[in-house]
Amino acid sequence: AQSVSQHNHHVILSEAASLELGCNYSYGGTVNLFWYVQYPGQHLQLLLKYFSGDPLVKGIKGFEAEFIKSKFSFNLRKPSVQWSDTAEYFCAVNAPGGGYQKVTFGIGTKLQVIP
Amino acid sequence: KAGVTQTPRYLIKTRGQQVTLSCSPISGHRSVSWYQQTPGQGLQFLFEYFSETQRNKGNFPGRFSGRQFSNSRSEMNVSTLELGDSALYLCASSTGQATPYEQYFGPGTRLTVT
Repeated sequence: AQSVSQHNHHVILSEAASLELGCNYSYGGTVNLFWYVQYPGQHLQLLLKYFSGDPLVKGIKGFEAEFIKSKFSFNLRKPSVQWSDTAEYFCAVNAPGGGYQKVTFGIGTKLQVIP
Repeated sequence: KAGVTQTPRYLIKTRGQQVTLSCSPISGHRSVSWYQQTPGQGLQFLFEYFSETQRNKGNFPGRFSGRQFSNSRSEMNVSTLELGDSALYLCASSTGQATPYEQYFGPGTRLTVT
């Protein structure tokens, strides 16, 4: 069964600091990877996704993530965070095939950006 | 295009009661997935419906059930509520056909069991 680990459950940063949130998954085959974000009081929304091709993917609001297959990792990065990035971030993985797909989410990382 | 809507937004129930939650997907989407979100466990997959058929199921007890109607609207039912069922229940819709596919989430229903 596929699983997702997010190592940092709560991260506090000052504005302009760089961000890296770790995400590791366990599944031996081809996977699709996602990062979702949940801003306070808002819906969960897709930040970025990796399906195939260039392992460095860019998402909305200056976020990017790198898929490293040998490390089973899909870490999220942003060079300079803003106060508006305060939110909860979820890494998710699904393994295609079988005619349907089940998406497994990590436990989430709460990011607090201090002005 | 209207987003995913869920009703009600908040519910307070007593242990032993049952509850029904509703989800209306984005127009044209045929897949609806349900998740339970709690602070300690993150998002846990409950089940997915596609064209009125449950085609995927998570590891939840049989007290959790669902169905999907011909207009793709979906309902989730929890019987014999327990305190541990208190959570935010999220519904996500997608086309369900493209591989891989993106999910669009609703605002959730906050269920409190007392």
